[in-house]
Amino acid sequence: QQQVKQSPQSLIVQKGGISIINCAYENTAFDYFPWYQQFPGKGPALLIAIRPDVSEKKEGRFTISFNKSAKQFSLHIMDSQPGDSATYFCAAASGAGSYQLTFGKGTKLSVIP
Amino acid sequence: DVKVTQSSRYLVKRTGEKVFLECVQDMDHENMFWYRQDPGLGLRLIYFSYDVKMKEKGDIPEGYSVSREKKERFSLILESASTNQTSMYLCAINIGAGRRYGYTFGSGTRLTVV
Repeated sequence: QQQVKQSPQSLIVQKGGISIINCAYENTAFDYFPWYQQFPGKGPALLIAIRPDVSEKKEGRFTISFNKSAKQFSLHIMDSQPGDSATYFCAAASGAGSYQLTFGKGTKLSVIP
Repeated sequence: DVKVTQSSRYLVKRTGEKVFLECVQDMDHENMFWYRQDPGLGLRLIYFSYDVKMKEKGDIPEGYSVSREKKERFSLILESASTNQTSMYLCAINIGAGRRYGYTFGSGTRLTVV
């Protein structure tokens, strides 16, 4: 059972455009939702994270939007740059004392000049 | 910054070999994880450990085992490597108190089993 569904699988955006990646989850016990960015040859790195008590979190050009009732969250990259080209993973975790993240399958973003 | 080091970037092993993948952290974090990453499948948890000599199965433990004799080192063992274990293997640690502070990943080991 895939607990975190991520779409699209790949995305091509022109420089300066907005990149949007969506995730949906099933487990209502999830209470921590991070996004990871992975460049080729590197491990994933934490980009931004949100908890369900807020509907939006912004860090620079990156924004997470969270819709608790729909069980959906999304990553928006404003003014996308070629340097943003990477694979992005959404994830979710739940439970006090539980340390496991459940990841989406990833989105390969290509930002073209 | 926390550093997670995986001993090998690339490995080529033969079917049936016993394979050891090593992961070392430079801080005193309890929680360590092994994931495998495959195209279209994302990251899948193999095993994790929350303390020395402690281990828990993840989603896909079959064909793998782990060892954690010292806090800073977490080893993934392929008892008898098979071609379907060709993959990218990622080690991670959980920094801070619980899950809320995110994971730090190593750079990965790309294993090819021939």
